[in-house]
Amino acid sequence: DIQMTQSPSSLSASVGDRVTITCRASQSVGDWLAWYQQKPGKAPKLLIYKASSLESGVPSRFSGSGSGTEFTLTISSLQPDDFATYYCQQYDRYRTFGQGTKVEI
Amino acid sequence: EVQLVQSGAAVKKPGESLRISCKASGYVFTHYWISWVRQKPGKGLEWMGRIDPDDSYKNYSPSLQGVTISVEKSISTSYLQWSSLEASDTAIYYCARHSSNIWYSAFQIWGQGTVVTVSS
Repeated sequence: DIQMTQSPSSLSASVGDRVTITCRASQSVGDWLAWYQQKPGKAPKLLIYKASSLESGVPSRFSGSGSGTEFTLTISSLQPDDFATYYCQQYDRYRTFGQGTKVEI
Repeated sequence: EVQLVQSGAAVKKPGESLRISCKASGYVFTHYWISWVRQKPGKGLEWMGRIDPDDSYKNYSPSLQGVTISVEKSISTSYLQWSSLEASDTAIYYCARHSSNIWYSAFQIWGQGTVVTVSS
């Protein structure tokens, strides 16, 4: 199994901050990496696919980068609606999610 | 509107069977794979498996056992089924539509989730 490790597990930030979340894979997944946002009591929402492609309708303050085993999700200017938990997911071999990063005020 | 609508919450006893559903609308059902994802209380997301609605070909997570994924094309519905539930199956279960019908596709559309509680 490919293991996905996110860091940090949680972070505190303020509106307007630049936030970066890291996701590391236990082996190369190429650029087959997605990022999802989940709010309490809601289903996850796709933000980024293929490591850096922005899903339609997602604000441009979200961006993704990386390839191989190390990836980042960046929120350029945190907005009140962005306080949520973020998950990375590899889809190179089967699918594996990271453990999540909770972004709190 | 493209959407996946899941069946309602279920409360079961250990050893009982259960089938939950995920009904697709707003797109051609056989053109996109469906995956199922588990989220245990207070925990992260776990991929369970996927199915191609066109030919019912499936893959399951190597770390998961005891569930069956199926589809009924005529009513654009996917199912997740257990023959004998355990308390550890207590979770929210999501269905998700892939962005295409190829392996390298992310989960583009999600159902609202079905809460399954297994308790004696």
